[in-house]
Amino acid sequence: GEDVEQSLFLSVREGDSSVINCTYTDSSSTYLYWYKQEPGAGLQLLTYIFSNMDMKQDQRLTVLLNKKDKHLSLRIADTQTGDSAIYFCAESIRGGSQGNLIFGKGTKLSVKP
Amino acid sequence: DAGVIQSPRHEVTEMGQEVTLRCKPISGHNSLFWYRQTMMRGLELLIYFNNNVPIDDSGMPEDRFSAKMPNASFSTLKIQPSEPRDSAVYFCASSLLRSFEQYFGPGTRLTVT
Repeated sequence: GEDVEQSLFLSVREGDSSVINCTYTDSSSTYLYWYKQEPGAGLQLLTYIFSNMDMKQDQRLTVLLNKKDKHLSLRIADTQTGDSAIYFCAESIRGGSQGNLIFGKGTKLSVKP
Repeated sequence: DAGVIQSPRHEVTEMGQEVTLRCKPISGHNSLFWYRQTMMRGLELLIYFNNNVPIDDSGMPEDRFSAKMPNASFSTLKIQPSEPRDSAVYFCASSLLRSFEQYFGPGTRLTVT
């Protein structure tokens, strides 16, 4: 079945880059997503990438996709304390946007001053 | 826009009681999703609706769980009878049909003692 795997914790110092990794299993995924969850809040879409792309950059965020290895990563440049949150990788299945997203368990990013 | 509204934000109940969680999606959105989040299992999709019609309820854990969407602006998730293992944060999310961005509500933290 479909599965999305992430490491559970990452700790970095303020100003450093953070790299959060994710592996997925459904090779037919059309879209892959990164969501951010701040304490006590719901998830918020951070960025996404189409499966026919290798990289997407959006300000401090860089998403890299390796379709062959089914590996997705999110790089946050110049990490700030406000970036402390849980980051979820998700893939869409069954043609994507209309329905099911499979989420990883989330990576808790802690940013130390 | 007020975003997705969920009520109550916190619910504490005793085992065996009926629990009803409520969700108001963003106006104009025609897809609605119910998720459950626990430390052990992460974020799980319970059920989703398109145009008020349930499309996939395969994630509903058992017959004690039921969900309805009587109109485009309201949905409920009911647990009857509730059990301690139902303790979790329940999220509602909505989106436009064929959009990959789901907007999450703040969640309802349910504790069953």
